[in-house]
Amino acid sequence: AQSVTQLGSHVSVSEGALVLLRCNYSSSVPPYLFWYVQYPNQGLQLLLKYTSAATLVKGINGFEAEFKKSETSFHLTKPSAHMSDAAEYFCAVSDLGNQGGKLIFGQGTELSVKP
Amino acid sequence: EPEVTQTPSHQVTQMGQEVILRCVPISNHLYFYWYRQILGQKVEFLVSFYNNEISEKSEIFDDQFSVERPDGSNFTLKIRSTKLEDSAMYFCASRPTDGSYGYTFGSGTRLTVV
Repeated sequence: AQSVTQLGSHVSVSEGALVLLRCNYSSSVPPYLFWYVQYPNQGLQLLLKYTSAATLVKGINGFEAEFKKSETSFHLTKPSAHMSDAAEYFCAVSDLGNQGGKLIFGQGTELSVKP
Repeated sequence: EPEVTQTPSHQVTQMGQEVILRCVPISNHLYFYWYRQILGQKVEFLVSFYNNEISEKSEIFDDQFSVERPDGSNFTLKIRSTKLEDSAMYFCASRPTDGSYGYTFGSGTRLTVV
């Protein structure tokens, strides 16, 4: 069965610093992986997804993630944090083993950005 | 850009009452989902729906829950007799069958059971 683990429930960075949010996955089949962002009291917005094409995936708002099969990781990065990046970030894997293909979410990482 | 629309955005109900949460998925999507997020917690899968039937459901989705696609556009989640612990944000999502795995989420319905 597929699963994802996000390391660190809370990450704090200074404005302009590198953002690194960690996600490791477990999957018995080649995974499809996703990062979503949730701003306070809002829904889930797709940042980027990996669906077995290029291993380095670029998303919206300057974020990117690299799929590393050897490390079973899909970490999210952004070179320079902005105050507006403060939000909750969720890593997810698509459960391709079942017909419904549901998304399985990690616990989430809250990103704080200090001025 | 096409959106998944959920109504209402916020619903307050008394314990034991029935509630129906409504969703309009993207028109050419054929897979539909309901998720919930209890305040401060992770997003949890409830149920997936395809070809007019449930394709998978979680342990959370017990007999108090049901889903329906009453017409060609709406997808509803009914909770028959709400409990305090049903208070959460409920998200609807849909995706196409074109292999893109473009899951699109609605903005959610915040359900408060008092």
